[in-house]
Amino acid sequence: AQSVSQHNHHVILSEAASLELGCNYSYGGTVNLFWYVQYPGQHLQLLLKYFSGDPLVKGIKGFEAEFIKSKFSFNLRKPSVQWSDTAEYFCAVNARSGGYNKLIFGAGTRLAVHP
Amino acid sequence: NAGVTQTPKFQVLKTGQSMTLQCAQDMNHNSMYWYRQDPGMGLRLIYYSASEGTTDKGEVPNGYNVSRLNKREFSLRLESAAPSQTSVYFCASSDIGTEYSNQPQHFGDGTRLSIL
Repeated sequence: AQSVSQHNHHVILSEAASLELGCNYSYGGTVNLFWYVQYPGQHLQLLLKYFSGDPLVKGIKGFEAEFIKSKFSFNLRKPSVQWSDTAEYFCAVNARSGGYNKLIFGAGTRLAVHP
Repeated sequence: NAGVTQTPKFQVLKTGQSMTLQCAQDMNHNSMYWYRQDPGMGLRLIYYSASEGTTDKGEVPNGYNVSRLNKREFSLRLESAAPSQTSVYFCASSDIGTEYSNQPQHFGDGTRLSIL
């Protein structure tokens, strides 16, 4: 069965620290990969996506992610975090079932950035 | 820009009561989804509608029913609410995917549902 694993459930950083959030998936077919962010009290917003081409994907707010096919990974990175990056981050992968694509989400990683 | 609109935003129910959560999107998307979000479990798909006139079960459909009323609206019904259905419910919509491409989903603000 398709699944998405996010290794860190809670991450605490100081402002200006570098961030890397891990995401591994299990799915044998062609993958589309996404990172979503949920700020406190808000809905999920798309941060970045990978469909094909350059495995290093750049998203909004200085985030990027690298797709490593051999490792089934799609880790999220940011060189220098800000207090406003405090949020929950979800990795998601498409899964094809019954002729239709659906998204499978990871459990999420809560990031707290301290000033 | 309304995007995906969910009503109500908060609701408290007693065990056994019924309720319908409403969702509407104004982006002319073909596909709509209902998720529940529980701590430590991410989002789990309850039901989805690939296009108007079709609905299918997701990962956790038990205790729920859905109706795709038209292209814009997709409602979720709890016939007999149980405490285990206490959760935050999100509706989402997207353009229809292809065999090799899944379109990003746009989410509503969520409905916080507590069942006593």
